[in-house]
Amino acid sequence: SQKIEQNSEALNIQEGKTATLTCNYTNYSPAYLQWYRQDPGRGPVFLLLIRENEKEKRKERLKVTFDTTLKQSLFHITASQPADSATYLCALDRQDTGRRALTFGSGTRLQVQP
Amino acid sequence: NAGVTQTPKFQVLKTGQSMTLQCAQDMNHEYMSWYRQDPGMGLRLIHYSVGAGITDQGEVPNGYNVSRSTTEDFPLRLLSAAPSQTSVYFCASHQGRNEQYFGPGTRLTVT
Repeated sequence: SQKIEQNSEALNIQEGKTATLTCNYTNYSPAYLQWYRQDPGRGPVFLLLIRENEKEKRKERLKVTFDTTLKQSLFHITASQPADSATYLCALDRQDTGRRALTFGSGTRLQVQP
Repeated sequence: NAGVTQTPKFQVLKTGQSMTLQCAQDMNHEYMSWYRQDPGMGLRLIHYSVGAGITDQGEVPNGYNVSRSTTEDFPLRLLSAAPSQTSVYFCASHQGRNEQYFGPGTRLTVT
């Protein structure tokens, strides 16, 4: 079956370290991949978009990689801060369904300790 | 710009009742979607629209209806509420294959 997997266990890191979150997908056609941040009780907020023909995208302290061979995206936050604590969602905009809507992973909760 | 707005923020229904969740956007976006979010399951697509007058089903459409008479509004109707529809509902809009903008959500409890 088709699936997007994110580590369901919370990721706890110390302030100043690099956080790396993983998004794996199976049986999907390569497409755009997006990362969102969600704080408790709020809607997701867009962070980065990477296309299937791009290997890496950066924005300030954020970096996303997209490997369509491995069917995996990595999301990095460098010099992490307690304010980065949130749940991070990956989502695929899938070409195969013809839908202009996203398929989401279940998210990984990041906790940055001061 | 207000972005994407949703009403109400909270709602409690009894089994069998019907209601409409409102969603509006002021960005002139072509696409709008409804998702539900349950613990441990991420966001799941209920219905979406690619423009006024055009809607289609997502992954979990049963028990929900939508219509899109204007670009701005995309209401979600629960026909006969069931406890399985207890969830947080998010509306989103976007243009093309760009970032999606989400509303603040509606927390629905069905007893």
